[in-house]
Amino acid sequence: GAVVSQHPSRVICKSGTSVKIECRSLDFQATTMFWYRQFPKQSLMLMATSNEGSKATYEQGVEKDKFLINHASLTLSTLTVTSAHPEDSSFYICSALERTETGELFFGEGSRLTVL
Amino acid sequence: AQSVAQPEDQVNVAEGNPLTVKCTYSVSGNPYLFWYVQYPNRGLQFLLKYITGDNLVKGSYGFEAEFNKSQTSFHLKKPSALVSDSALYFCAVRDRSSSNTGKLIFGQGTTLQVKP
Repeated sequence: GAVVSQHPSRVICKSGTSVKIECRSLDFQATTMFWYRQFPKQSLMLMATSNEGSKATYEQGVEKDKFLINHASLTLSTLTVTSAHPEDSSFYICSALERTETGELFFGEGSRLTVL
Repeated sequence: AQSVAQPEDQVNVAEGNPLTVKCTYSVSGNPYLFWYVQYPNRGLQFLLKYITGDNLVKGSYGFEAEFNKSQTSFHLKKPSALVSDSALYFCAVRDRSSSNTGKLIFGQGTTLQVKP
């Protein structure tokens, strides 16, 4: 299957700093990518839908200015957690949509963010 | 509204015994149904999907799932469990009308514990 690379896998930062997480589709073009947040032993919560060349669509309750999403190319979407605080600590997962008839989704390996 | 329910937080089974992880769904039309597995601190791995055709779907690692339209269920099964199957399992649904958007709705997840 197709490969989605997510980087970094782990990041620790100080409160008030910004952190960028990258999501790349390695062998296919993804006009749409999704960003999820997952709390321990819980399901994935969709944060936003990232569309290449346009503004991201955020789910209700997700702060746009807090979680900046950029999808500048067909293979790269980035999530920037701005002015991070300890409550932003979480596991963030991206997925990329491959343009087939059934719209196959492929997931990155996730990024563990810890804000001190 | 679309929804997915996984009624069991945890399923315990002895190695070599058959396992079942339950999933029911609610969508307005005909669904695409998926099962994913997640190991600790990793992204989601695709197991299998139901799109159309035979109600019994075979997937990776010996897993299979049966689509039951009348019961709106898509239970995951395996004839003989392995200790290495211990992980977190997610059922997901996507309305066919949203196939181009790729937006998945996930269940709460079920932890499978296989004991030697």
